Amino acid sequence: GAVVSQHPSWVICKSGTSVKIECRSLDFQATTMFWYRQFPKQSLMLMATSNEGSKATYEQGVEKDKFLINHASLTLSTLTVTSAHPEDSSFYICSGQPLAGGVDTQYFGPGTRLTVL
Amino acid sequence: GENVEQHPSTLSVQEGDSAVIKCTYSDSASNYFPWYKQELGKGPQLIIDIRSNVGEKKDQRIAVTLNKTAKHFSLHITETQPEDSAVYFCAASLGKLIFGTGTRLQVFP
Repeated sequence: GAVVSQHPSWVICKSGTSVKIECRSLDFQATTMFWYRQFPKQSLMLMATSNEGSKATYEQGVEKDKFLINHASLTLSTLTVTSAHPEDSSFYICSGQPLAGGVDTQYFGPGTRLTVL
Repeated sequence: GENVEQHPSTLSVQEGDSAVIKCTYSDSASNYFPWYKQELGKGPQLIIDIRSNVGEKKDQRIAVTLNKTAKHFSLHITETQPEDSAVYFCAASLGKLIFGTGTRLQVFP
């Protein structure tokens, strides 16, 4: 149980274009979903926290107009990287926090590797 | 805010030996401490977690200990196998997870 999927698993785009990444909780409902970014050989850095039906909360230094987050339902959250640039190339990982169980438990998706040319 | 330090950054062990990874945290209010295993190109997988009202938790070959007074917690893997090779992250939570810097574990056959 507690499976999270992401789509696409990898994407290559041209500089200036926008890319949307989907995050789905397959077998549980997620009150909260989180988006992380991970650069090579580094740890996970939290970008934003989203609750279903409300605006996302962004971490300091993360541009909310560049990284658009929508949490439309208890099983789906999307991250759109707008006007992508090469420095946005990274591994983007989402996680879901179940309604039931431990309050802080997060289950992670497999990640999406974004390469901006 | 919370800060989590993790040591060592790399760890090499022989198959069958034990591996220990240690983390310290700064905010005494943190109350949830998960450990994740991340294989190359994949998302983190929760392997064990512990809450602040418990001192130790074990699941087969994996155990975690928590010392709230000293604000540190450790992951113990016994009878290591080559498939245990991965990057391991600790985290501390006060509602959101703050991750350690990771430990690359290599288990040699």
